[in-house]
Amino acid sequence: DIQLTQSPSSLSAFVGDTVTISCRASQTIGTYLHWYQVKPGRAPKVLIYGASGFLREVPSRFIGRGSGTDFTLTISDLQPDDFATYYCQHTYRTPPWTFGQGTQVE
Amino acid sequence: EVQLVESGGGLVQPGGSLTLSCDASGSSVRSNYMNWVRQAPGKGLEWLSVIYPNGDTFSADSVKGRFAISRLNSQNRVHLQMSRLRVDDTAVYFCTAMTAGRDHFYSLDVWGQGTTVTVSS
Repeated sequence: DIQLTQSPSSLSAFVGDTVTISCRASQTIGTYLHWYQVKPGRAPKVLIYGASGFLREVPSRFIGRGSGTDFTLTISDLQPDDFATYYCQHTYRTPPWTFGQGTQVE
Repeated sequence: EVQLVESGGGLVQPGGSLTLSCDASGSSVRSNYMNWVRQAPGKGLEWLSVIYPNGDTFSADSVKGRFAISRLNSQNRVHLQMSRLRVDDTAVYFCTAMTAGRDHFYSLDVWGQGTTVTVSS
């Protein structure tokens, strides 16, 4: 099974900061890597698909990069609404389609 | 707009069984990759199971042999049948779909609000 390792597990930031979260896959997964935002009591929400794919309902300050085994999610000009936990997930080939362990932005 | 609504959660004793349901509107469950994902208290997201449009199913090792995903096309519903439940199965269970399919590299783009399962004696 493919493992995803996120770092850091948590980070502290201020409004207006730029933060970067990393996700490393245990084997190459092309660009079958997605980023989700989770807030307490809310359903998860996809932010980035296919490593760098933009969704029109997601603010442009969320940027995904990478391919193969190394991926990043960068949030620029951090807003109060961005304080949440972020997960990467792969959907490469057959399941299991694992998640990373999460990064809490506080 | 696709919407998913889960039901069936509750309190169950260890070793017991429970079936979760996911009612879909706005799209056919038969046309989408339908998944279940859970989040235990204080823990991260855990992918559990998927049913493909062609009916193929896959599950995580942690639930293989205990949980089974299925769908009822006539009611546009997906089920997660859970048996031999353990205390560590306590979690919020989300039904989620890959409605954009290959175009979005099979990301989980629609989520229900979740249903809570508590396994306790």
